[in-house]
Amino acid sequence: TQLLEQSPQFLSIQEGENLTVYCNSSSVFSSLQWYRQEPGEGPVLLVTVVTGGEVKKLKRLTFQFGDARKDSSLHITAAQPGDTGLYLCAGDRRAAGNKLTFGGGTRVLVKP
Amino acid sequence: KAGVTQTPRYLIKTRGQQVTLSCSPISGHRSVSWYQQTPGQGLQFLFEYFSETQRNKGNFPGRFSGRQFSNSRSEMNVSTLELGDSALYLCASSLEGPDDGYTFGSGTRLTVV
Repeated sequence: TQLLEQSPQFLSIQEGENLTVYCNSSSVFSSLQWYRQEPGEGPVLLVTVVTGGEVKKLKRLTFQFGDARKDSSLHITAAQPGDTGLYLCAGDRRAAGNKLTFGGGTRVLVKP
Repeated sequence: KAGVTQTPRYLIKTRGQQVTLSCSPISGHRSVSWYQQTPGQGLQFLFEYFSETQRNKGNFPGRFSGRQFSNSRSEMNVSTLELGDSALYLCASSLEGPDDGYTFGSGTRLTVV
């Protein structure tokens, strides 16, 4: 069992539809980061959320950190083919030392 | 500014051999972390270095080792390669530590045959 569970594992939608990816844990995180990874490349940082209940927007992407800092969600409005990729959440727990723990990832395919 | 550079991009090795992977972080970044990425396990933490000191280590066997040089460049070494070591090895740099956010390299794809 992974410390951070992402759901769904795979999502295939048509261009223009909305989607939500979830990242859940029973542990509390001091911060949570979201990354997107494209084939053949390393993950790219999208956002960091730090405060419980925090909401951050990045164009059509909305990120939310749960009040208890145990979960997060990523919502994409009017998805475009360029949003296709592997979305990863990663949590920072002070007790774990200097490392991020990654979720298993959600593979998103946006079809034109 | 230049990104994180990992070399080589691709590597094919035989079981039992050893391999050294290299990572040059973003200039000014002092923390370098290494991850192994496989389809089944996702990204698994290997170790993190800061100012030439290993600050944290993941749950990998002793065959996996690393080091960091005074210019923050880092190397990781895997000895006595096994088929299960086939993976994408990713290096990530950050200013002071992971909570600053990682900048990843493109990775080294290691295939063990």
